[in-house]
Amino acid sequence: AQSVTQLGSHVSVSEGALVLLRCNYSSSVPPYLFWYVQYPNQGLQLLLKYTSAATLVKGINGFEAEFKKSETSFHLTKPSAHMSDAAEYFCAVTSGGYQKVTFGTGTKLQVIP
Amino acid sequence: DAGVTQSPTHLIKTRGQQVTLRCSPISGHKSVSWYQQVLGQGPQFIFQYYEKEERGRGNFPDRFSARQFPNYSSELNVNALLLGDSALYLCSWAADMNTEAFFGQGTRLTVV
Repeated sequence: AQSVTQLGSHVSVSEGALVLLRCNYSSSVPPYLFWYVQYPNQGLQLLLKYTSAATLVKGINGFEAEFKKSETSFHLTKPSAHMSDAAEYFCAVTSGGYQKVTFGTGTKLQVIP
Repeated sequence: DAGVTQSPTHLIKTRGQQVTLRCSPISGHKSVSWYQQVLGQGPQFIFQYYEKEERGRGNFPDRFSARQFPNYSSELNVNALLLGDSALYLCSWAADMNTEAFFGQGTRLTVV
């Protein structure tokens, strides 16, 4: 069984500030980990993924995440927030592969001008 | 979303009714998954089909069923609708079981 916990249902940052969205996972096997973004009334877009290769993963739109096995964490960061980053972000896990994804409860990111 | 098409985009149904949601594949993609996203929560896995066979099922009651057709399109059926079935239903497509999945924009189901 696998699960993810996202810390903070809402995060507010100023435009230009660091974005840090936290995710901890639980998995009995080496996991695949994902971050998805969802804009209002839209589906999910994959930001980045960890599939047991490099532990620092770079994604689209300047986001990156680091897999830390010792901390069972996969936090999402971006050095400088843009207004267009305002959305809901979901951390997700599978036990290998891209199917049967288990999602976290989401973190809504607000970017303040 | 790489061309994933879901229909209809919005739907209103009455308690006790039945509903069918449809998802059209990306060309060459044979693996489809369905998810339910209740307002304020993350998506929950309902079903996965690959090559027209069920390959996974989430923790949903038997009122939920799905199928995949020879052209790889898919339908999700929900019988005896409850108010709690109100949600965004998402489908995702992948070329096979081990490649990235692309999500559609979903069907917003409201049960009144």
